[in-house]
Amino acid sequence: SQQGEEDPQALSIQEGENATMNCSYKTSINNLQWYRQNSGRGLVHLILIRSNEREKHSGRLRVTLDTSKKSSSLLITASRAADTASYFCATGAPNFGNEKLTFGTGTRLTIIP
Amino acid sequence: DTGVSQNPRHKITKRGQNVTFRCDPISEHNRLYWYRQTLGQGPEFLTYFQNEAQLEKSRLLSDRFSAERPKGSFSTLEIQRTEQGDSAMYLCASSLNAGRRSLYEQYFGPGTRLTVT
Repeated sequence: SQQGEEDPQALSIQEGENATMNCSYKTSINNLQWYRQNSGRGLVHLILIRSNEREKHSGRLRVTLDTSKKSSSLLITASRAADTASYFCATGAPNFGNEKLTFGTGTRLTIIP
Repeated sequence: DTGVSQNPRHKITKRGQNVTFRCDPISEHNRLYWYRQTLGQGPEFLTYFQNEAQLEKSRLLSDRFSAERPKGSFSTLEIQRTEQGDSAMYLCASSLNAGRRSLYEQYFGPGTRLTVT
């Protein structure tokens, strides 16, 4: 079963604008990760944030984590056409040594040139 | 290319036939995972290996499914007596779990798309 849900399910923005997508999850976690998936392809790891971290940056990506609300957000700044893809959050189980991931349902992001 | 590879990329089979998929992980990664993804959904965990040991299986993995990683390197996923509901993308991922060198990030292959007619 899916651990959480991304919101919105779909998002279309103009190139250059910022894109924000949210993820909610249900159970305690060790870490939360964001992945990108281009149409019909495998997933590419973007960023990982641990449960004791609140914010993390990587290039144009900014991730926040609020464990009290069981939610995370992914911000992509200065979007580009190449950012068009589906974005998934995935949570790692709280037990050390068990790194299976539970994915959300994804946000389909479309960048309009 | 030293990423995760999967073969075949596409498989069309008739209901009732058996199929086998192969995954070659990143060479130094000791963990290997199988996920299934249906259209419009996120991947769902099926099973994972630490070296050659299968450590966990999801209840999604019915008795028609079997996975092996005999030498702790490549893995195979076999589906017997396929059903139309088995149509999905089957994704393989690998990661490194070695104490302080552990990396929680999983690296995914391109997937095998199975269509059961």
